[in-house]
Amino acid sequence: QKEVEQDPGPLSVPEGAIVSLNCTYSNSAFQYFMWYRQYSRKGPELLMYTYSSGNKEDGRFTAQVDKSSKYISLFIRDSQPSDSATYLCAMSRTGNQFYFGTGTSLTVIP
Amino acid sequence: DTEVTQTPKHLVMGMTNKKSLKCEQHMGHRAMYWYKQKAKKPPELMFVYSYEKLSINESVPSRFSPECPNSSLLNLHLHALQPEDSALYLCASSQVGSGTGTGELFFGEGSRLTVL
Repeated sequence: QKEVEQDPGPLSVPEGAIVSLNCTYSNSAFQYFMWYRQYSRKGPELLMYTYSSGNKEDGRFTAQVDKSSKYISLFIRDSQPSDSATYLCAMSRTGNQFYFGTGTSLTVIP
Repeated sequence: DTEVTQTPKHLVMGMTNKKSLKCEQHMGHRAMYWYKQKAKKPPELMFVYSYEKLSINESVPSRFSPECPNSSLLNLHLHALQPEDSALYLCASSQVGSGTGTGELFFGEGSRLTVL
């Protein structure tokens, strides 16, 4: 079983839609959770970071962590064509060894 | 803007060449990483330096040789590479240790390597 599972998509939504991206994990010791946005041929950009459980909001982005279900989510409100990218989840137990999902490819259609 | 800077952005080299990738961070992080990323795949860990000492080598072939001259700099020396080594090479950094607020991993923009 992989440490982190993420649906690769691709996901295609109309502009203005709410996007939900998800990852599940198997290691209950994970306590650091991250979402990255990666444009084609660029490095991953840290979008959201959560320590332990709960929700975090930043503009149009909301990250949720449900440790009891071993499930994390990223919501994008009012999606824009510029949100078209691959979204990677990542998590860590210690803060210096990281496990990545395979990434979800998102296209927002104008 | 990313605070991890990688040079060069693009590199084309022959199988007999020797080249180096460079990485610099100014966030005071004491852990630095090299990852390799192929198209449509997640980053794959190669090396981790913690307090300028190599702490993890993920069984990477010896044609890749990392170096950490100081806490801000990380190099990856390349020699006798194969075409299958063509990929995006990503440098990253994080604070060392555990505790609230220390788990973030920051990536550079990457160096796109093509081996002919």
